Amino acid sequence: GAVVSQHPSRVICKSGTSVKIECRSLDFQATTMFWYRQFPKQSLMLMATSNEGSKATYEQGVEKDKFLINHASLTLSTLTVTSAHPEDSSFYICSAVRDNGYTFGSGTRLTVV
Amino acid sequence: KQEVTQIPAALSVPEGENLVLNCSFTDSAIYNLQWFRQDPGKGLTSLLLIQSSQREQTSGRLNASLDKSSGRSTLYIAASQPGDSATYLCAVVVANNLFFGTGTRLTVIP
Repeated sequence: GAVVSQHPSRVICKSGTSVKIECRSLDFQATTMFWYRQFPKQSLMLMATSNEGSKATYEQGVEKDKFLINHASLTLSTLTVTSAHPEDSSFYICSAVRDNGYTFGSGTRLTVV
Repeated sequence: KQEVTQIPAALSVPEGENLVLNCSFTDSAIYNLQWFRQDPGKGLTSLLLIQSSQREQTSGRLNASLDKSSGRSTLYIAASQPGDSATYLCAVVVANNLFFGTGTRLTVIP
């Protein structure tokens, strides 16, 4: 079946630094990928839709300058959290669509100290 | 705006019991509905995908039904096992947007 690989699974960074999270579609091409954020015991919140070769579409309230998304190829989308702050600590998950169904990465636990 | 609700929010059952998880949505104009499982600190694993034209899908001990007109879906788990313990999420697709339910946290007690 369709596999989406997300890396790293966990990352701890200092305040003010930037962190890049990668999302790869391993056995299919994904012109569109999605980035979600999940707070403890809550459901997923869509942050942005990543489009290959064009700008990402951000949901209302999501700072595009803080959460940089790049979708340079049909199999890779990256989310960079810039100038990270402790309130950015969260669980980030990417997904892609294949055969009408959504496939999710394994998630990245970001902790900003 | 599509709202997806799951009941109950949490459920504990003894091993071997059959159980039903419920999902309701407000806008019946969905493209499809998907059930996911999420283990603590992990990503989502797709369990079943039901197209809008379908009534149900089955995979092993899992059976999902869809009633678009009433805005409901159920996930039936037969002969539950401790390994089934996880949070179950339903999600509906409307106009290329995925709307998640609030989730049901299932605990199967050995």
